[in-house]
Amino acid sequence: GAVVSQHPSWVICKSGTSVKIECRSLDFQATTMFWYRQFPKQSLMLMATSNEGSKATYEQGVEKDKFLINHASLTLSTLTVTSAHPEDSSFYICSGREGRETQYFGPGTRLLVL
Amino acid sequence: DAKTTQPPSMDCAEGRAANLPCNHSTISGNEYVYWYRQIHSQGPQYIIHGLKNNETNEMASLIITEDRKSSTLILPHATLRDTAVYYCIVRVVQAGTALIFGKGTTLSVSS
Repeated sequence: GAVVSQHPSWVICKSGTSVKIECRSLDFQATTMFWYRQFPKQSLMLMATSNEGSKATYEQGVEKDKFLINHASLTLSTLTVTSAHPEDSSFYICSGREGRETQYFGPGTRLLVL
Repeated sequence: DAKTTQPPSMDCAEGRAANLPCNHSTISGNEYVYWYRQIHSQGPQYIIHGLKNNETNEMASLIITEDRKSSTLILPHATLRDTAVYYCIVRVVQAGTALIFGKGTTLSVSS
């Protein structure tokens, strides 16, 4: 299957700082990218959907000013957690899809906010 | 998208077939059945998908009932590395729409 990478794989930051997570599709053009987060012992929750070159569409309850998503190219999307707080600590997973094809997931980024 | 129902957990002996059921009684004609799995602390991994015919690939087989209201994912010879949470997801194949995850089935394979 297609490969999606994420960087970093884990990050620890201080409360109030911003953290950027990169998501890359390595062998396909991700016309759509998705960001999920997963809290311990829970399932994945969709945060936002972004189409290349367009503004992201956020799910209800997800603050767009806090979770900034950029999808500037067909192979790269970034998620920036601004002014991170301990409750933002979670496992963030990106996913990409080319058109109507299968959706592939990255390995995830574990964020710990102290 | 149609809702799916899966048992919360299943056990399987190593080397035996693991049969994971999924109920999707409200599935509509243009919705596909997708299976993904998530091994602990990793991103979900695509396994297989189908519309109405049975499908097989190098990882698993997917059996969909004739009325499409349920399906079974079969791992023919389970190994310890198959221990994971398995998600059955039903969705329309449409550009821009995301997979929505339920709680899945935790499969535990033991020796």
